[in-house]
Amino acid sequence: EVQLLESGGGLVQPGGSLRLSCAASGFTFSAYGMNWVRQAPGKGLEWVSTISGGLGVNTYYADSVKGRFTISRDNSKNMLYLEMGTLRVDDTAVYYCANVVGLGHGTPVTVSS
Amino acid sequence: QSALTQPASVSGSPGQSITISCTGTSSDVGSFDFVSWYRQHPGKAPKLMIYEATKRPSGVSNRFSGSKSGNTASLTISGLQDEDEADYYCSSYVHTTLIFGGGTKLTVL
Repeated sequence: EVQLLESGGGLVQPGGSLRLSCAASGFTFSAYGMNWVRQAPGKGLEWVSTISGGLGVNTYYADSVKGRFTISRDNSKNMLYLEMGTLRVDDTAVYYCANVVGLGHGTPVTVSS
Repeated sequence: QSALTQPASVSGSPGQSITISCTGTSSDVGSFDFVSWYRQHPGKAPKLMIYEATKRPSGVSNRFSGSKSGNTASLTISGLQDEDEADYYCSSYVHTTLIFGGGTKLTVL
C-alpha cells in the first residue's frame, strides 16, 4: 500500500523559512516523479512543485513559489523535501506530497506574525 | 495553465449513480491519461480514488470508476451511500505541472 507521510509544518513568521519532509513507502520511490500540492483554508488544491523520478534532475515550480521554494529528494531514504523560504501570509495552507499513485495526509503551515 | 472545469455541485439519492465531469483541453486531459480523482470530506485530507484515468488504488470501492473521452474525464459513483457526500477534485498532469479542477460538491439527498 502506498503511504506518504508529511512532517515539518508549523507556525512561522512572514519572511521565515521551513523545511517539509515526506516519507514514502509501499512503492519504488525512485521510479516516480513527486509533487508538493497545497490547499489554503477554504480553497481548492493547488500545485506547488514537481521533481522528476530517478536522480531528480528536473524540478518545476508554480510561479507563486519560484525562487523561494526548493524541492529535493533522497532516494536512499525514500524521502521528499520542500525547503520554503521568504514565506508569505498567502503561503498558509496544508501541504501534501503526492504522486500518480498516492497523496499524503498533509502537514499544516501557518505564516503569521 | 488554466484549471480544469468541474460542475460546482451534483446530487443524487442513496443507491443511485452519479457522474462528475472534468473538462480540460487537448493539451492536458486530451493528451495524457494521467487524470486523478480525489474525495475530500470536510476537515480531512483528500483521498485518491482514481488514478491514470481509470485505475483504482488498493482499498477503494469498485463503486468508483473513471473514464475519459477526448478532453473530458469522468468519475462515476454507483450505489450512492451517505459516506460519498464530499468534495471531489480532478487533476491532470500537463508535461511538467499538475493542474486541478475547482472541485465538485456531491450531496447525497
